[in-house]
Amino acid sequence: NAGVTQTPKFRILKIGQSMTLQCTQDMNHNYMYWYRQDPGMGLKLIYYSVGAGITDKGEVPNGYNVSRSTTEDFPLRLELAAPSQTSVYFCASSYGGGWRGYTFGSGTRLTVV
Amino acid sequence: AQKVTQAQTEISVVEKEDVTLDCVYETRDTTYYLFWYKQPPSGELVFLIRRNSFDEQNEISGRYSWNFQKSTSSFNFTITASQVVDSAVYFCALNKGAQKLVFGQGTRLTINP
Repeated sequence: NAGVTQTPKFRILKIGQSMTLQCTQDMNHNYMYWYRQDPGMGLKLIYYSVGAGITDKGEVPNGYNVSRSTTEDFPLRLELAAPSQTSVYFCASSYGGGWRGYTFGSGTRLTVV
Repeated sequence: AQKVTQAQTEISVVEKEDVTLDCVYETRDTTYYLFWYKQPPSGELVFLIRRNSFDEQNEISGRYSWNFQKSTSSFNFTITASQVVDSAVYFCALNKGAQKLVFGQGTRLTINP
């Protein structure tokens, strides 16, 4: 099993550019999440999904969009990148929700210049 | 609202010392789940333990042990005879309802040879 796979691992964007961070899981987990990790700030929830076709905002959704057309995939879209979006992004999945714990991807380090 | 506080931002010890990482949580739920995750220098997030609120028995796994005390709302993590490979950022987390996890700010642990 590959678990949770994130691509790319690193990316540099210019201000105003757009990109999609990819996340796919092969564990048939119904829940998927996107977090960002800023230095010394822990992990902040951006968006999450409880199943295909259903998404909801987390703590810090501004500047991001998501979609969940399949159980496996949960891409995160950045429109008009800003320096404040420089961060490490983690995708995670869970079978049954957060109370069961997450399986994390390896992260995407994004720098906006 | 659920909240997790890891007051120790950074800890540095010499190899073979014992070290305790503190985690204090806030929740009004009577049933809840607490977690510890490890983030080594390679960046991925690795699950260490999940504990439910009805089980206050201490857990030991090799050199790792966890002390859960509902009376003080704490779920502390102790590494005995620390090793350089234990150097990482450690996160404590608490479920927020059935769906999500809330993370503490993390504690960066450095084990010096």
